[in-house]
Amino acid sequence: AQSVSQHNHHVILSEAASLELGCNYSYGGTVNLFWYVQYPGQHLQLLLKYFSGDPLVKGIKGFEAEFIKSKFSFNLRKPSVQWSDTAEYFCASSSGGFKTIFGAGTRLFVKA
Amino acid sequence: DVKVTQSSRYLVKRTGEKVFLECVQDMDHENMFWYRQDPGLGLRLIYFSYDVKMKEKGDIPEGYSVSREKKERFSLILESASTNQTSMYLCASSSGTESSGNTIYFGEGSWLTVV
Repeated sequence: AQSVSQHNHHVILSEAASLELGCNYSYGGTVNLFWYVQYPGQHLQLLLKYFSGDPLVKGIKGFEAEFIKSKFSFNLRKPSVQWSDTAEYFCASSSGGFKTIFGAGTRLFVKA
Repeated sequence: DVKVTQSSRYLVKRTGEKVFLECVQDMDHENMFWYRQDPGLGLRLIYFSYDVKMKEKGDIPEGYSVSREKKERFSLILESASTNQTSMYLCASSSGTESSGNTIYFGEGSWLTVV
């Protein structure tokens, strides 16, 4: 069955530190991959997605993610985090059908 | 902008009550979903619908049912609420087309507490 694993449940960083959140998916066929973000008190929103083409995907607010097919990974990165990046981040995959599978989420706390 | 609206942000219900959570989307999306979000478990799919009157079970359908009588509206029903159904419920929709890449748009969520 399709599954998504996020490596860290909680991450605490200082401002200006670099961020990398790990995500691995299990499906071996064609996939769409997503990172969603939920800021405190707000609804989930799309951060970025990989659909096809360039495996390095750039999203909003300076985030990027790299799709590495051989490693079944789609890690999220940001070179320098800000206090406003404090949020919960969800990796998700869709195999092209209707169903999207989400990881357990990673809570990021950025110290000002 | 896509808007997914959930009728109630916060509800408190008693064990055994029948609970209705309503969701409306305004982008003519074919697909609609109900998830529950619990700490450490992420989002788990309860039910989804890919067309009017069509529904499919997700990963955790037990204790829930759904209704989709109109394309824009997708209701989640707890026939007899139990305390283990205390959670945040998220409604979502997607167009399901290749060009959209199955991007899902979420509502703000409904916090349900069953006492």
